[in-house]
Amino acid sequence: AQKVTQAQTEISVVEKEDVTLDCVYETRDTTYYLFWYKQPPSGELVFLIRRNSFDEQNEISGRYSWNFQKSTSSFNFTITASQVVDSAVYFCALTRDRQTGANNLFFGTGTRLTVIP
Amino acid sequence: DTGVSQDPRHKITKRGQNVTFRCDPISEHNRLYWYRQTLGQGPEFLTYFQNEAQLEKSRLLSDRFSAERPKGSFSTLEIQRTEQGDSAMYLCASSLEAGTGNNEQFFGPGTRLTVL
Repeated sequence: AQKVTQAQTEISVVEKEDVTLDCVYETRDTTYYLFWYKQPPSGELVFLIRRNSFDEQNEISGRYSWNFQKSTSSFNFTITASQVVDSAVYFCALTRDRQTGANNLFFGTGTRLTVIP
Repeated sequence: DTGVSQDPRHKITKRGQNVTFRCDPISEHNRLYWYRQTLGQGPEFLTYFQNEAQLEKSRLLSDRFSAERPKGSFSTLEIQRTEQGDSAMYLCASSLEAGTGNNEQFFGPGTRLTVL
């Protein structure tokens, strides 16, 4: 069974503060992919990052960074120097690594981030 | 605009009516997914197409739901005899073939359905 848990329902930070969004996953598969998506108030899900289960290197993209730890089944997302435009709901998601058949995403319930100016 | 598009963006209908939504994926993507998202939840998988073949359906997809992708390009999702519990955002996503190393799904803006 695939499951993603985002325990933080809502987070509020003041602009320029750093914030970390937690994601814990469960899977019996040995190969899988993890994703983060952003859903701004407009509603469209925006892809942020993909990480496969064999690659535990942390990644940094501008103000965004991701920490993948298989030992704790976590894939946390940090925004440095937050900005008002970062206000959105952020989803962590998991999919199997299947060459045939659906690679449908299993989403967490999301974390609503509000950045206060 | 070369992203995923969906039509209509909003649909209000009365209980018992039929509705149909359309999704146009990114042109070179042969994989297409439908998801449903209710308030405060993450999207949940409904069904999957590889080219024109519907290969998987979730148990969420009741008999009142049907989806097609007749020529392996656009897809339609029809809900018959709508119920108030069908009120949700219906999201379409597309991706490249697995094994290309680019399996991320790109989402459309969604169709928000309200059943009165």
